[in-house]
Amino acid sequence: DSGVTQTPKHLITATGQRVTLRCSPRSGDLSVYWYQQSLDQGLQFLIQYYNGEERAKGNILERFSAQQFPDLHSELNLSSLELGDSALYFCASSVLVGTDTQYFGPGTRLTVL
Amino acid sequence: SQQGEEDPQALSIQEGENATMNCSYKTSINNLQWYRQNSGRGLVHLILIRSNEREKHSGRLRVTLDTSKKSSSLLITASRAADTASYFCATDEEGGETSGSRLTFGEGTQLTVNP
Repeated sequence: DSGVTQTPKHLITATGQRVTLRCSPRSGDLSVYWYQQSLDQGLQFLIQYYNGEERAKGNILERFSAQQFPDLHSELNLSSLELGDSALYFCASSVLVGTDTQYFGPGTRLTVL
Repeated sequence: SQQGEEDPQALSIQEGENATMNCSYKTSINNLQWYRQNSGRGLVHLILIRSNEREKHSGRLRVTLDTSKKSSSLLITASRAADTASYFCATDEEGGETSGSRLTFGEGTQLTVNP
């Protein structure tokens, strides 16, 4: 158990819908990262927040957005969902803003029908 | 795009044997991390090796890093059936201590340890 929690574990929805994935980092960690794992793209970095501010951005679609709240939990919002958005979404956390060990949560499996 | 490329893509060995997985990358890095993932589950951090380190040990794991060749290897000694999983290398590209961070993952090596 890494100490990072993610909810929900599974999510099934329809194309065009919007969903919110939630992540709570390890106690004391200020950085939160979001990654997407799909069969065709592998594991891809989406975005990083540190203490409420966006610090790094990867291949995140414009239909996706994230934020980190004052209590340091983070949410990833996915809208106008397409079949290709079906994937495992992981949250990770670390203490530092820069290079550091990242601890991953169990993931949310999103299925878009 | 994938920064790291693992080799081999799949490896099948018997319990007790050693398993070696290799990773190559393209850019300058701050550190390289190895993760394990059991089927469809979360990633478990195994070891982090910094760019100024050449070798690191953790239990039955030994990681080497050759920055001149942009490559790393993960050795698991005396393997067990419970080591069966996918193993990923992930590189953290150069950026300052105060700049953001991102991990770029390879495609992984699927290790099967047969009892």
